[in-house]
Amino acid sequence: EVQLLESGGGLVQPGGSLRLSCAASGFTFSSYAMSWVRQAPGKGLEWVSVTSDSGGSTYYADSVKGRFTISRDNSKNTLYLQMNSLRAEDTAIYYCAKAIYTSSWYHFDYWGQGSLVTVSS
Amino acid sequence: EIVLTQSPATLSLSPGERATLSCRASQSVSSYLAWYQQQPGQAPRLLIYDASNRATGIPARFSGSGSGTDFTLTISSLEPEDFAVYYCQQRSNRPPTFGQGTKVEIK
Repeated sequence: EVQLLESGGGLVQPGGSLRLSCAASGFTFSSYAMSWVRQAPGKGLEWVSVTSDSGGSTYYADSVKGRFTISRDNSKNTLYLQMNSLRAEDTAIYYCAKAIYTSSWYHFDYWGQGSLVTVSS
Repeated sequence: EIVLTQSPATLSLSPGERATLSCRASQSVSSYLAWYQQQPGQAPRLLIYDASNRATGIPARFSGSGSGTDFTLTISSLEPEDFAVYYCQQRSNRPPTFGQGTKVEIK
């Protein structure tokens, strides 16, 4: 059974930093791209970032480019999101998702339960 | 980026009825469209990928159709657990984008 468990969320002041982690199990982690998708309170879904299976390729939404860094440790089956220069508009539940690429780009077949990040003074 | 517009925003139906949800793309996404279900307080769940393929473990009452710019998710007979919010997502172009959601509520 695929399981994705996020951790690291919490309350942070504007301009601060936070690192999210996502522990994966139930599949061969190193064989799949992984992504972060967020959802502001009461709002829809917004893709944030994706990393290839090896971590050698990464992509970001324009809204987080230059502030967020996605990475992975395949030896630990763990995905990370380093978030710097946080803004109030980054407040959201952050979901870790297993990403499927067959051609063109990605869809997301398994999701974690999410980690809430609140940016407020 | 490609904008996905879902309609209606809310669909009020009774258990056993047929639900038809629409997703329209601002430009062609070929068949690279997925549908997700989100229950309150839960993570999204993949239902349909590449317009018409059911994901693992998804009941046959869920079906998807369409290509290009117009797509439909059909739930043939609503079960109590189907009342939720549904999102479409395109993977034709970067960035992948989601529609704003359709809420299926109990009438």
